[in-house]
Amino acid sequence: KNQVEQSPQSLIILEGKNCTLQCNYTVSPFSNLRWYKQDTGRGPVSLTIMTFSENTKSNGRYTATLDADTKQSSLHITASQLSDSASYICVVTPRSSASKIIFGSGTRLSIRP
Amino acid sequence: NAGVMQNPRHLVRRRGQEARLRCSPMKGHSHVYWYRQLPEEGLKFMVYLQKENIIDESGMPKERFSAEFPKEGPSILRIQQVVRGDSAAYFCASSSGTPYATNEKLFFGSGTQLSVL
Repeated sequence: KNQVEQSPQSLIILEGKNCTLQCNYTVSPFSNLRWYKQDTGRGPVSLTIMTFSENTKSNGRYTATLDADTKQSSLHITASQLSDSASYICVVTPRSSASKIIFGSGTRLSIRP
Repeated sequence: NAGVMQNPRHLVRRRGQEARLRCSPMKGHSHVYWYRQLPEEGLKFMVYLQKENIIDESGMPKERFSAEFPKEGPSILRIQQVVRGDSAAYFCASSSGTPYATNEKLFFGSGTQLSVL
C-alpha cells in the first residue's frame, strides 16, 4: 500500500534556529516528490519538487533532499523566521496514473520569538 | 495571471441544505482536483477532473457528493443534504497537464471552509 509518513507531527523551535523535517514513503516507482507549505487557513504552496533522479533541491532557506534507496526525504529550514510557522506537507506522485497522489499528514512547525 | 480562485471563502449551511463550492483554475489549466481537509489532518483526495470529464472520483462519497468541470465556467463541487460531518475545508488545485509528469506543478486555491450547523 502506498503511504507517506511524516515526522515529527509537530515541532517548536526558536527564531533563528535550523530544523529538519522528515518524510518516509513507500510509493514506488514514483514520478516526483514535493514539499508544500500550508499556512493556517490557506491552501498549500509549493516549495520544492524533485524527480526520482534528483538528490537535493533548494528554494531560498528551504533545502529538500531525497534518498531513493532508503525512500526518505527531508526538508531543512535554515535560520528560521516567524513566518515559517506553518504545516509542511510531503507529497509523492506515483509514476503510474492508476495510483493516486499521496499526501502526508504534515508537520506543524511553530517558530517562537 | 490570477491563481486558483475558490469561492465562497466561508460557507455556512444548515443540515439538509445544499452546498455549492466553486473553483476557477489558473488560466490555461485544464486539470482540476478537489481535496478535503479536517482540522489537524492532512489533505484527502476526492475527485480529479479534466475539462468535462471525471477522471477519478474514487475519493468522493457515492451519495450526496458530485463534481463537474464544464467546458465554460468554474468547477463545481456539490454536496446535497449536508450533514455535520461534512464540515471541513475543501481545497481545489489545478495543473496544466497530468500531475504524473515528473515536473508538473499543482497550484492550490485558498479553500472553502464549510460549516454545517
